[in-house]
Amino acid sequence: AQSVTQLGSHVSVSEGALVLLRCNYSSSVPPYLFWYVQYPNQGLQLLLKYTTGATLVKGINGFEAEFKKSETSFHLTKPSAHMSDAAEYFCAVTKYNNNDMRFGAGTRLTVKP
Amino acid sequence: DAGVTQSPTHLIKTRGQQVTLRCSPISGHKSVSWYQQVLGQGPQFIFQYYEKEERGRGNFPDRFSARQFPNYSSELNVNALLLGDSALYLCASSPSATGESQPQHFGDGTRLSIL
Repeated sequence: AQSVTQLGSHVSVSEGALVLLRCNYSSSVPPYLFWYVQYPNQGLQLLLKYTTGATLVKGINGFEAEFKKSETSFHLTKPSAHMSDAAEYFCAVTKYNNNDMRFGAGTRLTVKP
Repeated sequence: DAGVTQSPTHLIKTRGQQVTLRCSPISGHKSVSWYQQVLGQGPQFIFQYYEKEERGRGNFPDRFSARQFPNYSSELNVNALLLGDSALYLCASSPSATGESQPQHFGDGTRLSIL
């Protein structure tokens, strides 16, 4: 069975500071990994994905994540936080042969001026 | 191009009632999945439909059912509503049924409140 654990339900950073949101996964087969962002009263927007190939993945809005198989991690980073980055972030995992996507509990990012 | 559209956006029901939620996928997408997101939690997988057939089911009771129509739109039905069914219901579409076709594109959801 696949699962995702997001470490830290709340993360607070200052504007301009590094953003690091942690995600560890469990999967019996090579995983497909995703980060989604959710703004209040909206659906989920894809930030980036890892399926195969390069382990460092770049996404929208300056975010990137690195797939580390040895650490079963897929942490999300952004060098410099912006006020507009304040939102809920979800890490998710699925398998190549289905669309049953398993989400973490989410991390709420707060950006202080 | 239109994204995934869901209707209605908000719904209020009372315990024991039945509800139908609707989803129109992105044009050309044949797979539709439904998720339940309880406040403060991540989305949980309910169903996946592809080419009008159920391809996956999450750990939800039989009160939850769904179907997909020839135009690939979908409905989620919930019978005998309970207070615990209050949640944001998200629909996602993708071109096919497998992970290779990711990512899934999500609608803005239907917020269901049970009184």
